[in-house]
Amino acid sequence: GAVVSQHPSWVICKSGTSVKIECRSLDFQATTMFWYRQFPKQSLMLMATSNEGSKATYEQGVEKDKFLINHASLTVSTLTVTSAHPEDSSFYICSARGPGDTQYFGPGTRLTVL
Amino acid sequence: DAKTTQPPSMDCAEGRAANLPCNHSTISGNEYVYWYRQIHSQGPQYIIHGLKNNETNEMASLIITEDRKSSTLILPHATLRDTAVYYCIVRPPSGNTPLVFGKGTRLSVIA
Repeated sequence: GAVVSQHPSWVICKSGTSVKIECRSLDFQATTMFWYRQFPKQSLMLMATSNEGSKATYEQGVEKDKFLINHASLTVSTLTVTSAHPEDSSFYICSARGPGDTQYFGPGTRLTVL
Repeated sequence: DAKTTQPPSMDCAEGRAANLPCNHSTISGNEYVYWYRQIHSQGPQYIIHGLKNNETNEMASLIITEDRKSSTLILPHATLRDTAVYYCIVRPPSGNTPLVFGKGTRLSVIA
């Protein structure tokens, strides 16, 4: 149990385009989900906290207009990287608050912006 | 800032126990100790967590000192597939509080 999926697992896009990443809790409902990103050889950095039915809370330095988060259902949160640029290339990972208040992570999405 | 201190790297022989230490000297009374690991290019995997008692599950054991200022994650019989970065994280009980990752310990299991 407590499985979180992400789609796509990898994506390559051109600079200036937008990319949507979906995070889904498969066997539990998640009122709270989190988005992280990870640059090579670095640790995970929290980007935002997403609560179902309300606006996301962004960490300092994360542009909310660039990284749009939608959490419209109890099992799905989406992250849209708008007008992506090469510096947005990273490994994006979501997690969901699951049973026992433990956070369970998705497998990650590798974004490459050309 | 992360509230834990871990050695940057460790080696362990395959089949032996891997003991990964973590210092969390400023832990608050209601904060739990969580351990996750991240295998290369994957999302973090939950391992175990505890408050003050020692815990064991099918993956590992967690030993927390009586003063709760440090803990040790024990993988009883390490395999090559246990090679990963291991993160020790302290967090209050609220599930709405996100996990804050430090640099972790890179464990290399050697054949």
